[in-house]
Amino acid sequence: DGGITQSPKYLFRKEGQNVTLSCEQNLNHDAMYWYRQDPGQGLRLIYYSQIVNDFQKGDIAEGYSVSREKKESFPLTVTSAQKNPTAFYLCASNADRSGNTIYFGEGSWLTVV
Amino acid sequence: AQSVTQLGSHVSVSEGALVLLRCNYSSSVPPYLFWYVQYPNQGLQLLLKYTSAATLVKGINGFEAEFKKSETSFHLTKPSAHMSDAAEYFCAVSLTGANSKLTFGKGITLSVRP
Repeated sequence: DGGITQSPKYLFRKEGQNVTLSCEQNLNHDAMYWYRQDPGQGLRLIYYSQIVNDFQKGDIAEGYSVSREKKESFPLTVTSAQKNPTAFYLCASNADRSGNTIYFGEGSWLTVV
Repeated sequence: AQSVTQLGSHVSVSEGALVLLRCNYSSSVPPYLFWYVQYPNQGLQLLLKYTSAATLVKGINGFEAEFKKSETSFHLTKPSAHMSDAAEYFCAVSLTGANSKLTFGKGITLSVRP
């Protein structure tokens, strides 16, 4: 089945460590996105990519990095520079060019211990 | 730039009662508007979207929303709430055009009382 796969679902990280969250889609979507979700704050855009080998910062990019080497993959690295990384992270991708429907993965929980 | 305002963070209704979740938007150009639903520990699922074809949009699970340009609103309604409707609901806006970014509201948690 087509969809967006995020892994791992749950991840624990020690302070000072970098961690990478995986996002893979087999929907042949051009654009991919990473959102962070915190209680009461909705979803905030971290990074997005509209084509391979290109990406742009979103509203809260500090302390994060991404790559887009393949159309299907858009991994997110949470670096030690991110001051408050504990959150729920959602990957998404665009369905089409005429309605901008965005489809989401199941999310990844990151907890810093 | 675009933005979305969802008033209140929590709505509680009785099973069988009307559900009304409010969303107001701000956009410099005609927008696309969306409602998404999120169940605990899951991603977001599209309920419905407005793309200028019709002002009353019907979605999944019996939900619908009406686009009112004069009020800059896109409120979500369902005539009769079901226990399974308990979830968090997000309104979102994007500009027209390919792959435009979505801007989300803060979300509303819907509780359904037996």
